[in-house]
This record gives sequence, structure tokens and C-alpha cells, in this order.
Amino acid sequence: EVQLVESGGGLVQPGRSLRLSCVASGFSLEDSAMLWVRQVPEKGLEWVASISWNGGGIAYADFVKGRFTISRDNAKNFLFLQMNNLRAEDTALYYCAKDRYSDYSGLGEEWGQGTLVTVSS
Amino acid sequence: DIQMTQSPSILSASVGDRVTITCRASQSISSWLAWYQQKPGKAPKLLIFKASTLKRGVPSRFSGSGSGTEFTLTISSLQPDDFATYYCQQYNSYSRTFGQGTKVEIK
Repeated sequence: EVQLVESGGGLVQPGRSLRLSCVASGFSLEDSAMLWVRQVPEKGLEWVASISWNGGGIAYADFVKGRFTISRDNAKNFLFLQMNNLRAEDTALYYCAKDRYSDYSGLGEEWGQGTLVTVSS
Repeated sequence: DIQMTQSPSILSASVGDRVTITCRASQSISSWLAWYQQKPGKAPKLLIFKASTLKRGVPSRFSGSGSGTEFTLTISSLQPDDFATYYCQQYNSYSRTFGQGTKVEIK
């Protein structure tokens, strides 16, 4: 059974940084691209970033370009999202998802339960 | 960026009803469209990809159709477990955008 468990969320001040992690089990991480999607509570879904199976292909939403970095460690079954210069509008539940494909299509086949990031002074 | 617009935003229906949700793309996305279901407090679940391919294990009362810029999700006979919010997502372009969601509520 595929399992994705996010961690690293919390309360952070504007301008500060946070690193989200997602540990994968039940499948071989190197077989899949991965993505991060966020959701403001009671609002819609926003794709944040995608990474191909080997990290060779990466894509970001415009609103995080230059501030967030997606990366992965296939040997340890981890996906990461380094978030710098956080803004109040980055407050959301951040989901890690397994892509259906090995390239970074952005199609979320399996999802974790999310980790909440709150940016506030 | 490609904009995805769903209609309606809220749909009131009864158990047994046939339900259709529409998703329109601001430019052609071929068939690179997915549908997700999300229940309160839960993560989204993939239902359909490539516009009409049902994910394994998803009940056959769900179906998807369309190509280019207009797509539909149909639930042939609404069941109690289907009351949820549904999102479309395009994965054709660099920026993989979602629709704003359609809440299916009990009439």
C-alpha cells in the first residue's frame, strides 16, 4: 500500500524559512515523479511544484519561483520542499503526492494527508 | 497560464440522480485532464485521468469525457458516498492548474 507522510509544517514568521519533508513507503520512490500541492483551508487546490523521478526535471508555480525548492532523496525515500522568504499568502495545507508517471506530469495518483504551514507574525 | 473553470460551483442533487460537472480550459489541453474527489478533512483522490480513463478501483458510475477545451465528469447514479467536492486539473502545460472545485451537496 502506498503511503506518503508529510512533516515539517508549523507556525513561522513572514520572511523566514521552513523545510517540508515527505516520506514514501509501499512503492519505489525512484519509479515516480513527485509533486507538492497546497490548499488554503476551505479553498481550492493549487499545484506548487513537480520533480521528475531522478530530479532532472523540475517545474514550479509562478507564485513560488525563486523562493521554493523541490528536491528528493530516492535512496532514503524522501521528498522535500524548501520554502524561503515565506509570505502570509503561503499559509496552507501542503500535500505531497505521487505522480502517476516518472516524468513530472503533475498528475497526483496518491496523496499524503498534508502538513499545515501558517505564516504569521 | 491555462485557466480552468468549473461549473457549477455548487450542485444540489439527490441519491440516484445523474450528475454532470463541466470543466473548461482557456486553451486546448488535448486530453491531459484529471478529475479528483475530495471529502472534508481528507486528501484529494484521483478518479479519472487522460480525460476519460478511470483509475483502477474507482466505481464505474464515474465517467469522464471531452478533449480540447471542454470536459465533463458524470456520475450516472449518485450514491451517498459521492457527496464531496470535485476538482479538474490540467497537466498539459508547464503550470498544472486546477479548477476552483464543484461541491456536490445533498438536495
